[in-house]
Amino acid sequence: NAGVMQNPRHLVRRRGQEARLRCSPMKGHSHVYWYRQLPEEGLKFMVYLQKENIIDESGMPKERFSAEFPKEGPSILRIQQVVRGDSAAYFCASSLAPPLGGDEQYFGPGTRLTVT
Amino acid sequence: SQKIEQNSEALNIQEGKTATLTCNYTNYSPAYLQWYRQDPGRGPVFLLLIRENEKEKRKERLKVTFDTTLKQSLFHITASQPADSATYLCALDIGSGGSYIPTFGRGTSLIVHP
Repeated sequence: NAGVMQNPRHLVRRRGQEARLRCSPMKGHSHVYWYRQLPEEGLKFMVYLQKENIIDESGMPKERFSAEFPKEGPSILRIQQVVRGDSAAYFCASSLAPPLGGDEQYFGPGTRLTVT
Repeated sequence: SQKIEQNSEALNIQEGKTATLTCNYTNYSPAYLQWYRQDPGRGPVFLLLIRENEKEKRKERLKVTFDTTLKQSLFHITASQPADSATYLCALDIGSGGSYIPTFGRGTSLIVHP
């Protein structure tokens, strides 16, 4: 089992461009979570998805950010018209069961986005 | 509002000693609390889960306590080793949006000196 995969590991974008971050959950996991981490700050929850459904997007900015988890293929976090403040590490996690039970989340290695 | 507090100052200890990290929370009654380890440049790795009806949980050299009256969890590493040096995060099901998503503290850095 390869674990949670994220790509790219590093992404550099100019202000105004689009950033697409991909996450392949662990095999058999249908629950995917995206987090953002700024230097010296904790992990901030952004969005929780199941296959083809957004379950909770309460942590995601209303504008420029979107997420999907299609029936086939990886989950995508999309940031349109990036600004310098979007520079951060973005982590994806997956779990076998819903979060209600407290089952562990398996994290990917993260994508480090730098906006110049 | 709900709040999770972990000591922002790094904890420095000597190899072989017991490291104790603290996680305090306010304004919430979590159903569970988790501890993760994060190394620089990597994603967090799950260590232990403790539920609200459990007082203590152990796994090898790790021990977690959960005091719902004090609203505090203590995370202990016995016989610490330099390889235990990392940032340790606690997470509670504060449940942003009502879906019980773990909400993370900022973490405490542990440095074990040989």
